[in-house]
Amino acid sequence: GQNIDQPTEMTATEGAIVQINCTYQTSGFNGLFWYQQHAGEAPTFLSYNVLDGLEEKGRFSSFLSRSKGYSYLLLKELQMKDSASYLCAAQDSNYQLIWGAGTKLIIKP
Amino acid sequence: IAGITQAPTSQILAAGRRMTLRCTQDMRHNAMYWYRQDLGLGLRLIHYSNTAGTTGKGEVPDGYSVSRANTDDFPLTLASAVPSQTSVYFCASSESSGPTDTQYFGPGTRLTVL
Repeated sequence: GQNIDQPTEMTATEGAIVQINCTYQTSGFNGLFWYQQHAGEAPTFLSYNVLDGLEEKGRFSSFLSRSKGYSYLLLKELQMKDSASYLCAAQDSNYQLIWGAGTKLIIKP
Repeated sequence: IAGITQAPTSQILAAGRRMTLRCTQDMRHNAMYWYRQDLGLGLRLIHYSNTAGTTGKGEVPDGYSVSRANTDDFPLTLASAVPSQTSVYFCASSESSGPTDTQYFGPGTRLTVL
């Protein structure tokens, strides 16, 4: 079957760094997406990885290891506005997105 | 309009009633999707359309139907609502249905079936 695992909740301190992990098992693989979703709002796109390695985009970076079925989202210099859920989604062989349940990130001052 | 709009924003519906959730995009995207989001679960695909005139079933299609008469609109119909269809429904679109195509989401419809 197809499955995405990510932690349910994480807590971090303002100004710190946090890493949100995601493991996936899909029928075929065409890339890994990360989305941010604030409470009561729609998911918004953060990053896409299809090749192994780290993609950096400002304070956010995303890493992929295809051989391990593993990705992480790294958030630096945390701000209170980063409090949100972070959704991991893997694209399968039919180009459909298989979604994790999301990681709720709580930022404390 | 910029992006994707959904209507209504929220709705309380009696079980057994018929309901259509509306979705319109102005980005001329070929592919459109309907998801439901329930607490503790990931987004689950209900139906999708890779291009106008075609539709396909996702992971949880039972009790729902869609149509794609043109590029911009992708309505989702619940023929006879049941309480288990209480959820937040998101419509999304992407330029195409291939690799690298980012999905963009509408604001969602919160549906409660009593």
